[in-house]
This record gives sequence, C-alpha cells and structure tokens, in this order.
Amino acid sequence: QVQLVESGGGVVQPGRSLRLSCTASGFMFSSYAMHWVRQAPGKGLEWLTIISNDGTTKHYANSVKGRSTISRDNSRKTVYLEMNTLRAEDTALYYCARGRGSGSFLVDSWGQGTLVTVSS
Amino acid sequence: DIVMTQSPDSLAVSLGERATINCKSSQTVLSSSNNKNFLAWYQQKPGQPPKLLIYWASTRESGVPDRFSGSGSGTDFTLAISSLQAEDVAVYYCQQYYNAPITFGQGTRLEIK
Repeated sequence: QVQLVESGGGVVQPGRSLRLSCTASGFMFSSYAMHWVRQAPGKGLEWLTIISNDGTTKHYANSVKGRSTISRDNSRKTVYLEMNTLRAEDTALYYCARGRGSGSFLVDSWGQGTLVTVSS
Repeated sequence: DIVMTQSPDSLAVSLGERATINCKSSQTVLSSSNNKNFLAWYQQKPGQPPKLLIYWASTRESGVPDRFSGSGSGTDFTLAISSLQAEDVAVYYCQQYYNAPITFGQGTRLEIK
C-alpha cells in the first residue's frame, strides 16, 4: 500500500533554513505528482506546494512562495521541501501527500507528518 | 485565490441521525472542459492525517462507507452522513483542486450529541 514517510523536522531558530524529506513506497513514485501540506497546532490544513511527476512543473502557496523550494529525486523515491527564513508562524506539522496522477491537484494519500517548531 | 468557506464550524448530531456540512467556493470549481467539479472532502480524526472521502464532488473514494455522500455543483457543495456512527467523529474539510493555489475550507468539527 501507499506509504509516505516524512523526516527532517525539529526545532529551528527564526531566520534559519530547513529541508524536509519524504520517502515513498508502495507505488510507482515517478508517475505521481507530490504535495506538501501543513497544519499549525490546533488549526486547519494549509496547502503549500506541488511538483509534477517529472519535476518540471511546480506551484506554491503565496505564504511560502519565494522562500520555499520543492524538488524530487525519482531514483530515490523522495520529495523534498526546503524552507528559508523561517518564522514562528511556520510552526506546524508538515505532511507529504500524493497527487492522484502525474500532475493532479487532487491529494489522495498522506504521510503521518513531521513537526517543525520555529523558536529561539 | 479561491476561498473555501464551510458551515457550520462545528456540529453535534445524535447517533443514527443525519449530518450535513456545507462548503461554498468564492468562484466556480466546475470545469467546462470535462463538466466535473474539482471539489474533494477529507476526514481527519484526532492524531491522524486527513483521509480522502469524496472527489469530483460526489465520487466516493474506494473503501469509504456509502453513508457518506457528496453533492452540489459550481460554488455550493454538501457532504452528508446519512446515519452518524461513533467512528465518524472528526473534522471534515472541503478542498478545491480546480487551480493552484489549492485551498481548503476552515474545517467543520463533527461531534456526537
């Protein structure tokens, strides 16, 4: 079955950078778009970014555009999210999720998430 | 950006009764090219990631009980649970995947009365 395992979260000081990783198994990774979605403590879901199956197309939410980069390595079945200039409001559980199809905006499977805490 | 607004924010329903959650988008999510509504519903139970319930506004995901149904078109949508079970206690989110940025509603918390 589809498995998505996020890593790279932790406590980070404001203004610093962080790279999250998500390793996939149970499906043909190179055929699917991948997303990152976050959820601040006690809050709702906020979509962040998508990368197409071949990595050529990316979209970002306004809240992270310009200070985040999504990338993928299909040989490693891994998608990454690099975030720069972190702020307290970036504190959240970050989910990796699969799109239904090569460029699909529909999210159909989720990982368990990795927690990022931005604090001095 | 398309703004998704759910109502109510919270809802308490008796076991076996019907629950309905509404979702309104600030612009249409109905595609003229395929005549489909790019609207999904997710269920999130405490301590778990979200789970896809409904897509194309009314298509149930595989394995989702048939007491869950979705309806609506254009800008107004509804998720209905025909006979509430204890395991349905969760927060429910609508999401538009018509265009980027993808956006979610604020969530509706469903509890047992």
